[in-house]
Amino acid sequence: DGGITQSPKYLFRKEGQNVTLSCEQNLNHDAMYWYRQDPGQGLRLIYYSQIVNDFQKGDIAEGYSVSREKKESFPLTVTSAQKNPTAFYLCASSIVGPNEQFFGPGTRLTVL
Amino acid sequence: EDKVVQSPLSLVVHEGDTVTLNCSYEVTNFRSLLWYKQEKKAPTFLFMLTSSGIEKKSGRLSSILDKKELFSILNITATQTGDSAVYLCAVKGNYGQNFVFGPGTRLSVLP
Repeated sequence: DGGITQSPKYLFRKEGQNVTLSCEQNLNHDAMYWYRQDPGQGLRLIYYSQIVNDFQKGDIAEGYSVSREKKESFPLTVTSAQKNPTAFYLCASSIVGPNEQFFGPGTRLTVL
Repeated sequence: EDKVVQSPLSLVVHEGDTVTLNCSYEVTNFRSLLWYKQEKKAPTFLFMLTSSGIEKKSGRLSSILDKKELFSILNITATQTGDSAVYLCAVKGNYGQNFVFGPGTRLSVLP
């Protein structure tokens, strides 16, 4: 089955710890995205990548980092510099261009 | 700065009602507008509207795009409890590489 997987589904961390969220896709899409969703708000773009070994900051990149070493994988690290990391994180992929994005099931991160 | 506004933010109806959700936008050189349905987790794609496709329909759902007035509506007829979700609108222009999402409309359909 083609799709996007994210793991883990739920993640709890102590304040000050870095944490890495996984995102994998087997849709052969070149573009991948990370969004953050807070209650009552739309999706806000953290980082995106349109090709392997290249990525760009989105609207709220501070306190986050990414890598794109393989086409299928786009992990997101939430660093201790992120002031308010508790949120729902969604990964998406698409064909490059103004095309629909396909979303993973999300990771809910809670920082205690 | 590109901007997407959705209204209402929240809506409660009863099964069988018809609802209209609104999405207005400001974007440089509009390219496409997407509607998504989000239940508990991942948004699922509903429609894409572009200059060459300003009206879409699938079952009880339909959507139109008014490029002149810069808005889109999503209609749901004969609503069912399974339609309860957050409906997201996203727009892409030529400036910037990505879609800008609105805050969503939370629809609750009561039996």
